[in-house]
Amino acid sequence: EAQVTQNPRYLITVTGKKLTVTCSQNMNHEYMSWYRQDPGLGLRQIYYSMNVEVTDKGDVPEGYKVSRKEKRNFPLILESPSPNQTSLYFCASSFGQGLSYEQYFGPGTRLTVT
Amino acid sequence: GENVEQHPSTLSVQEGDSAVIKCTYSDSASNYFPWYKQELGKRPQLIIDIRSNVGEKKDQRIAVTLNKTAKHFSLHITETQPEDSAVYFCAASLPYGNKLVFGAGTILRVKS
Repeated sequence: EAQVTQNPRYLITVTGKKLTVTCSQNMNHEYMSWYRQDPGLGLRQIYYSMNVEVTDKGDVPEGYKVSRKEKRNFPLILESPSPNQTSLYFCASSFGQGLSYEQYFGPGTRLTVT
Repeated sequence: GENVEQHPSTLSVQEGDSAVIKCTYSDSASNYFPWYKQELGKRPQLIIDIRSNVGEKKDQRIAVTLNKTAKHFSLHITETQPEDSAVYFCAASLPYGNKLVFGAGTILRVKS
């Protein structure tokens, strides 16, 4: 089954404790992206990757890191999480390097930082 | 950068009525405008999209219109059904970038 998976689905952590949210897709998509969803703000892009070893900042990259060592995986790293990073996070992938293609979203990761 | 505004933030309609959600964008170079539907507790899913060389696109009960001059686009849902209840997001993308900018979302409630 073609899909985007994320782990963990739920995470409660404390300020400053490094964490990684994994994202994997099995559709051989070149483009992958991370979004955070907050009430009243919609979906905001954190980072994106057009291909292996190619990543770039989205609109809200502060406090996040990403890597793209393999085509299928695009982990999101929070080196020192803070309470303002409490949010619902979605990974997405799409065919091709542009955004004129449907984005397939993962199931989401609800992160709470206390 | 691109900015997308979406209205209304909430919309309640009776089953069978039509629903219209409007979005405006700031960058006239934007050329791709998708709409995503997110049911409660689920992931966003694409329901329809339109490119800047097209003025209108229809898929069964859903249609999207684009006015490039005014820089706005709208989602039209006819004969609404309870399963249309969800959050709807519009978005816009520039041709020379790889960022997709979303509107804040519209909560649609269809009352039966």
